[in-house]
Amino acid sequence: GAGVSQSPSNKVTEKGKDVELRCDPISGHTALYWYRQSLGQGLEFLIYFQGNSAPDKSGLPSDRFSAERTGGSVSTLTIQRTQQEDSAVYLCASSDRDRGNHEQYFGPGTRLTVT
Amino acid sequence: KQEVTQIPAALSVPEGENLVLNCSFTDSAIYNLQWFRQDPGKGLTSLLLIQSSQREQTSGRLNASLDKSSGRSTLYIAASQPGDSATYLCAVRGGNNRKLIWGLGTSLAVNP
Repeated sequence: GAGVSQSPSNKVTEKGKDVELRCDPISGHTALYWYRQSLGQGLEFLIYFQGNSAPDKSGLPSDRFSAERTGGSVSTLTIQRTQQEDSAVYLCASSDRDRGNHEQYFGPGTRLTVT
Repeated sequence: KQEVTQIPAALSVPEGENLVLNCSFTDSAIYNLQWFRQDPGKGLTSLLLIQSSQREQTSGRLNASLDKSSGRSTLYIAASQPGDSATYLCAVRGGNNRKLIWGLGTSLAVNP
């Protein structure tokens, strides 16, 4: 079946502009995660959605970052007033937590470059 | 605060060698541990997931072990091939939270 998909694959934006990154999880997966991977650094957790529960936003680095998940499926990560330090690969993952399988499956990522 | 360390940071071996990648974590109260592979410019591929109650998992030429009490996991790759060249990442999931905490990875080069 189809895996996790993300769009766009690459995004170049000017400092100060807003960007939206999209994630389509594996069909039926109830849990969705956003991470980012900055050059030379490890992956960093951003936000987690599980079903209809309130999301865990503990990893969002600032209030310029927000995410939503509509209908328990597609998620959008929004970065407002982008800064150069936001340049990174943003990765989305999903898991079938309701069945007790917490293995996370990752999308190919969106490479964001802020100029 | 959970911290994950991977050693070595980089490894270069000739084709055919058996090799071991190491991962250590500071808080033994984990839910599970996952090993991933990342190819340049691509996303992450899950290799093996070990639940906290398990000692090891095997998939083909890969074997991952978990010693929760000592805070260590190893990924063993048998008969390495050039196609194994990639960055290998270890991540742990805490018992009380949902997010994965990641190591910085081991960059592996298998030379023909």
